[in-house]
Amino acid sequence: AQSVTQPDIHITVSEGASLELRCNYSYGATPYLFWYVQSPGQGLQLLLKYFSGDTLVQGIKGFEAEFKRSQSSFNLRKPSVHWSDAAEYFCAVKIAGGGADGLTFGKGTHLIIQP
Amino acid sequence: EAQVTQNPRYLITVTGKKLTVTCSQNMNHEYMSWYRQDPGLGLRQIYYSMNVEVTDKGDVPEGYKVSRKEKRNFPLILESPSPNQTSLYFCASGVRGGELFFGEGSRLTVL
Repeated sequence: AQSVTQPDIHITVSEGASLELRCNYSYGATPYLFWYVQSPGQGLQLLLKYFSGDTLVQGIKGFEAEFKRSQSSFNLRKPSVHWSDAAEYFCAVKIAGGGADGLTFGKGTHLIIQP
Repeated sequence: EAQVTQNPRYLITVTGKKLTVTCSQNMNHEYMSWYRQDPGLGLRQIYYSMNVEVTDKGDVPEGYKVSRKEKRNFPLILESPSPNQTSLYFCASGVRGGELFFGEGSRLTVL
Protein backbone atom coordinates (compact mmCIF):
# COMPACT_ATOMS: atom_id res chain seq x y z
CA ALA A 1 0.00 0.00 0.00
CA GLN A 2 1.11 3.52 -0.66
CA SER A 3 2.39 5.68 2.17
CA VAL A 4 3.55 9.24 2.63
CA THR A 5 6.12 10.31 5.19
CA GLN A 6 6.64 13.81 6.46
CA PRO A 7 9.63 13.35 8.76
CA ASP A 8 9.27 16.66 10.58
CA ILE A 9 6.30 17.00 12.92
CA HIS A 10 7.22 20.57 13.84
CA ILE A 11 9.51 23.10 12.18
CA THR A 12 10.39 26.54 13.52
CA VAL A 13 11.69 29.15 11.11
CA SER A 14 12.48 32.81 11.58
CA GLU A 15 10.46 35.27 9.53
CA GLY A 16 12.32 36.06 6.33
CA ALA A 17 14.32 32.83 6.38
CA SER A 18 14.04 30.10 3.79
CA LEU A 19 11.93 27.00 4.31
CA GLU A 20 12.02 23.42 3.16
CA LEU A 21 9.42 20.85 4.21
CA ARG A 22 10.22 17.25 3.41
CA CYS A 23 7.93 14.65 1.90
CA ASN A 24 8.78 11.11 0.88
CA TYR A 25 6.40 8.60 -0.61
CA SER A 26 6.33 4.88 -1.06
CA TYR A 27 4.56 4.05 -4.25
CA GLY A 28 5.02 1.46 -6.96
CA ALA A 29 3.27 3.40 -9.69
CA THR A 30 3.63 6.90 -11.09
CA PRO A 31 2.16 9.21 -8.48
CA TYR A 32 0.32 12.45 -8.59
CA LEU A 33 1.70 14.67 -5.83
CA PHE A 34 0.16 17.50 -3.87
CA TRP A 35 0.88 19.93 -1.10
CA TYR A 36 -1.99 21.36 0.94
CA VAL A 37 -1.95 23.99 3.67
CA GLN A 38 -4.32 24.17 6.62
CA SER A 39 -4.50 27.44 8.51
CA PRO A 40 -5.94 27.32 12.05
CA GLY A 41 -9.66 26.65 11.96
CA GLN A 42 -9.69 26.39 8.20
CA GLY A 43 -10.04 23.70 5.60
CA LEU A 44 -7.28 22.49 3.34
CA GLN A 45 -6.11 24.69 0.51
CA LEU A 46 -4.12 23.37 -2.43
CA LEU A 47 -0.67 24.97 -2.67
CA LEU A 48 0.59 23.11 -5.71
CA LYS A 49 0.44 19.83 -7.58
CA TYR A 50 2.60 17.67 -9.81
CA PHE A 51 1.14 15.41 -12.45
CA SER A 52 3.88 15.23 -15.10
CA GLY A 53 6.40 17.32 -16.99
CA ASP A 54 8.72 19.84 -15.38
CA THR A 55 9.72 18.46 -12.01
CA LEU A 56 9.91 21.91 -10.41
CA VAL A 57 6.40 23.21 -9.89
CA GLN A 58 5.30 26.63 -8.77
CA GLY A 59 2.35 27.16 -6.51
CA ILE A 60 0.45 29.88 -4.75
CA LYS A 61 1.82 32.14 -2.02
CA GLY A 62 5.38 31.90 -3.36
CA PHE A 63 5.79 28.17 -2.73
CA GLU A 64 7.48 25.70 -5.02
CA ALA A 65 8.18 21.98 -4.88
CA GLU A 66 10.53 19.65 -6.68
CA PHE A 67 9.72 16.08 -7.64
CA LYS A 68 12.73 13.77 -7.46
CA ARG A 69 11.81 10.32 -8.67
CA SER A 70 15.14 8.80 -7.67
CA GLN A 71 14.62 9.90 -4.08
CA SER A 72 10.83 9.40 -4.01
CA SER A 73 10.58 12.92 -2.68
CA PHE A 74 8.46 16.00 -3.24
CA ASN A 75 9.87 18.68 -0.94
CA LEU A 76 8.16 22.03 -0.51
CA ARG A 77 10.23 25.20 -0.47
CA LYS A 78 9.83 28.91 0.01
CA PRO A 79 12.73 31.38 -0.19
CA SER A 80 11.44 33.77 2.47
CA VAL A 81 8.66 32.95 4.91
CA HIS A 82 6.11 35.38 6.27
CA TRP A 83 4.33 35.21 9.64
CA SER A 84 1.13 34.35 7.76
CA ASP A 85 2.73 31.10 6.57
CA ALA A 86 2.35 29.61 10.05
CA ALA A 87 0.07 26.63 9.46
CA GLU A 88 -0.10 22.86 9.07
CA TYR A 89 1.25 21.52 5.79
CA PHE A 90 0.24 18.21 4.28
CA CYS A 91 1.84 16.28 1.48
CA ALA A 92 -0.47 13.91 -0.40
CA VAL A 93 -0.20 11.39 -3.21
CA LYS A 94 -2.47 9.34 -5.39
CA ILE A 95 -2.03 6.82 -8.13
CA ALA A 96 -2.00 8.35 -11.59
CA GLY A 97 -5.11 7.01 -13.27
CA GLY A 98 -6.08 5.03 -10.20
CA GLY A 99 -9.73 4.11 -9.90
CA ALA A 100 -10.32 5.10 -6.31
CA ASP A 101 -9.06 8.64 -6.86
CA GLY A 102 -8.50 9.24 -3.18
CA LEU A 103 -5.51 10.99 -1.67
CA THR A 104 -3.14 9.42 0.82
CA PHE A 105 -1.88 12.08 3.20
CA GLY A 106 1.21 12.41 5.30
CA LYS A 107 0.70 13.20 8.97
CA GLY A 108 1.54 16.84 8.47
CA THR A 109 4.24 19.32 9.45
CA HIS A 110 3.38 22.14 11.82
CA LEU A 111 5.21 25.30 10.78
CA ILE A 112 5.97 27.88 13.44
CA ILE A 113 7.28 31.31 12.45
CA GLN A 114 9.51 33.19 14.87
CA PRO A 115 9.50 36.99 14.71
CA GLU B 1 -18.10 30.91 -5.94
CA ALA B 2 -16.90 27.33 -6.22
CA GLN B 3 -17.09 25.68 -2.85
CA VAL B 4 -17.70 22.65 -0.69
CA THR B 5 -20.09 23.40 2.16
CA GLN B 6 -20.34 21.33 5.31
CA ASN B 7 -22.86 21.60 8.14
CA PRO B 8 -22.73 21.78 11.03
CA ARG B 9 -19.29 23.27 11.56
CA TYR B 10 -19.35 22.41 15.24
CA LEU B 11 -21.39 19.82 17.08
CA ILE B 12 -21.40 18.35 20.56
CA THR B 13 -23.53 15.27 21.00
CA VAL B 14 -23.90 12.25 23.25
CA THR B 15 -23.11 8.61 22.69
CA GLY B 16 -25.72 6.82 20.62
CA LYS B 17 -27.60 9.84 19.30
CA LYS B 18 -27.75 9.58 15.52
CA LEU B 19 -26.38 12.51 13.58
CA THR B 20 -25.78 13.55 10.01
CA VAL B 21 -23.12 15.89 8.69
CA THR B 22 -24.16 17.33 5.35
CA CYS B 23 -21.84 18.11 2.47
CA SER B 24 -22.71 19.92 -0.71
CA GLN B 25 -20.56 21.01 -3.66
CA ASN B 26 -21.46 23.36 -6.49
CA MET B 27 -18.72 22.37 -8.95
CA ASN B 28 -20.53 19.45 -10.60
CA HIS B 29 -17.82 17.07 -9.43
CA GLU B 30 -18.39 13.36 -9.81
CA TYR B 31 -16.01 12.38 -7.03
CA MET B 32 -16.70 13.12 -3.35
CA SER B 33 -15.08 11.87 -0.20
CA TRP B 34 -15.06 12.14 3.59
CA TYR B 35 -11.93 12.31 5.71
CA ARG B 36 -11.33 12.53 9.42
CA GLN B 37 -8.38 14.34 10.91
CA ASP B 38 -6.90 13.36 14.23
CA PRO B 39 -3.77 14.69 15.97
CA GLY B 40 -0.69 12.76 14.94
CA LEU B 41 -2.62 10.69 12.38
CA GLY B 42 -3.16 13.19 9.60
CA LEU B 43 -6.19 12.75 7.37
CA ARG B 44 -7.72 9.36 6.81
CA GLN B 45 -10.39 8.55 4.27
CA ILE B 46 -13.71 7.27 5.61
CA TYR B 47 -15.84 6.78 2.49
CA TYR B 48 -15.81 7.98 -1.07
CA SER B 49 -18.16 8.15 -4.01
CA MET B 50 -17.22 8.01 -7.67
CA ASN B 51 -20.69 9.08 -8.82
CA VAL B 52 -24.37 9.08 -7.92
CA GLU B 53 -25.39 5.84 -6.19
CA VAL B 54 -21.76 4.63 -6.20
CA THR B 55 -20.03 4.60 -2.80
CA ASP B 56 -17.16 2.64 -1.33
CA LYS B 57 -15.24 2.27 1.90
CA GLY B 58 -12.05 4.13 2.57
CA ASP B 59 -9.49 3.31 5.23
CA VAL B 60 -11.59 3.88 8.36
CA PRO B 61 -15.27 3.22 7.51
CA GLU B 62 -16.38 1.53 10.75
CA GLY B 63 -19.25 3.34 12.44
CA TYR B 64 -20.11 5.51 9.46
CA LYS B 65 -22.55 5.43 6.57
CA VAL B 66 -22.88 7.60 3.50
CA SER B 67 -25.29 8.05 0.64
CA ARG B 68 -25.07 9.69 -2.76
CA LYS B 69 -28.55 10.23 -4.11
CA GLU B 70 -27.67 13.46 -5.88
CA LYS B 71 -24.45 14.54 -7.51
CA ARG B 72 -23.98 17.61 -5.33
CA ASN B 73 -24.68 16.05 -1.91
CA PHE B 74 -22.76 13.46 0.09
CA PRO B 75 -23.94 13.27 3.71
CA LEU B 76 -22.00 11.43 6.41
CA ILE B 77 -24.18 9.52 8.85
CA LEU B 78 -23.20 8.35 12.32
CA GLU B 79 -25.95 5.94 13.35
CA SER B 80 -24.72 5.49 16.91
CA PRO B 81 -21.82 7.83 17.63
CA SER B 82 -19.17 6.84 20.12
CA PRO B 83 -16.46 8.93 21.82
CA ASN B 84 -13.78 7.51 19.49
CA GLN B 85 -15.55 9.32 16.66
CA THR B 86 -14.71 12.66 18.20
CA SER B 87 -12.73 14.24 15.41
CA LEU B 88 -12.48 16.92 12.76
CA TYR B 89 -14.26 15.84 9.59
CA PHE B 90 -13.64 17.10 6.07
CA CYS B 91 -15.69 16.63 2.96
CA ALA B 92 -13.94 16.93 -0.38
CA SER B 93 -14.85 16.81 -4.05
CA GLY B 94 -12.96 16.71 -7.31
CA VAL B 95 -12.80 15.64 -10.93
CA ARG B 96 -11.36 12.27 -11.87
CA GLY B 97 -7.59 12.44 -11.89
CA GLY B 98 -7.39 15.92 -10.39
CA GLU B 99 -6.94 17.57 -7.04
CA LEU B 100 -9.50 17.60 -4.25
CA PHE B 101 -11.34 20.65 -3.00
CA PHE B 102 -12.10 20.62 0.70
CA GLY B 103 -14.81 22.03 2.89
CA GLU B 104 -13.94 23.99 6.00
CA GLY B 105 -14.42 21.07 8.33
CA SER B 106 -16.90 19.91 10.95
CA ARG B 107 -15.64 19.49 14.48
CA LEU B 108 -17.58 16.76 16.24
CA THR B 109 -17.41 15.94 19.93
CA VAL B 110 -19.14 12.82 21.22
CA LEU B 111 -19.58 12.72 25.02
